[in-house]
Amino acid sequence: DAGVTQSPTHLIKTRGQQVTLRCSPKSGHDTVSWYQQALGQGPQFIFQYYEEEERQRGNFPDRFSGHQFPNYSSELNVNALLLGDSALYLCASSDPGGANNSPLHFGNGTRLTVT
Amino acid sequence: DAKTTQPPSMDCAEGRAANLPCNHSTISGNEYVYWYRQIHSQGPQYIIHGLKNNETNEMASLIITEDRKSSTLILPHATLRDTAVYYCIVREYGGSYIPTFGRGTSLIVHP
Repeated sequence: DAGVTQSPTHLIKTRGQQVTLRCSPKSGHDTVSWYQQALGQGPQFIFQYYEEEERQRGNFPDRFSGHQFPNYSSELNVNALLLGDSALYLCASSDPGGANNSPLHFGNGTRLTVT
Repeated sequence: DAKTTQPPSMDCAEGRAANLPCNHSTISGNEYVYWYRQIHSQGPQYIIHGLKNNETNEMASLIITEDRKSSTLILPHATLRDTAVYYCIVREYGGSYIPTFGRGTSLIVHP
C-alpha cells in the first residue's frame, strides 16, 4: 500500500518563475494538506483541499494556489517565486474528510531552491 | 501560533527510556494531542495520539495528565534510529482540524 508520494523530489528555479508540485495521497485518503518547511523550522500550514475545494488556508499570499483532482491527488502552484520561497514543501493526506481523530500521513517532500 | 511548548533539545542513552514532555495548557475539551517525529530530510512521521486516556502502540506510549494540560511521549528503549525532531501538536479547529507545528524537541540518542 503506497503512502503519500510527491514529485519531483528536488527542484531548482529562478526568481520570478512559476512552479508546480504534485502529490498523490495515501490510498483511501480524501483530504490533502500542504505545508512549507524552512530550514530549522517546523512545517507551516499552507492550505487544505477536500472534495476538490480549498477548505482552509494558512497565512500565505495568493501567489500560492492549489488544486485537487477527482482522484484526490493535488497540486501546489507558486507564482512569481521569491528567494524566500526556498523550502521543503510537504504534502499530507488524511481521512475521512480530515476529521479530528484522523492522523496526517506525510510524504517526504519536494525540496525547492530559488536562485 | 502553536498551542504547545516543548524543550528545544534533549539527549538520551541508547537502550534507555526517552521521556519527551509537552505543555498544552490551553487545550480544549475536544482537542486531541498528536505526536510526530521528523528524521532529517524526511517528512514527519505519525507516532501516536490521544484525547484523555493514556495510549500505547508499537512505537511509543503517551501519558496525558488528568487536567490535560501536559503530556509525555515515552520511547521505552531508545535506539540511535530514534534520533529526530519530535513535534507535539494540538489540532486547532477552523473549519477542519489543522495541525500547527512548533519547532519541536530535537532528541539525540547517543551510544
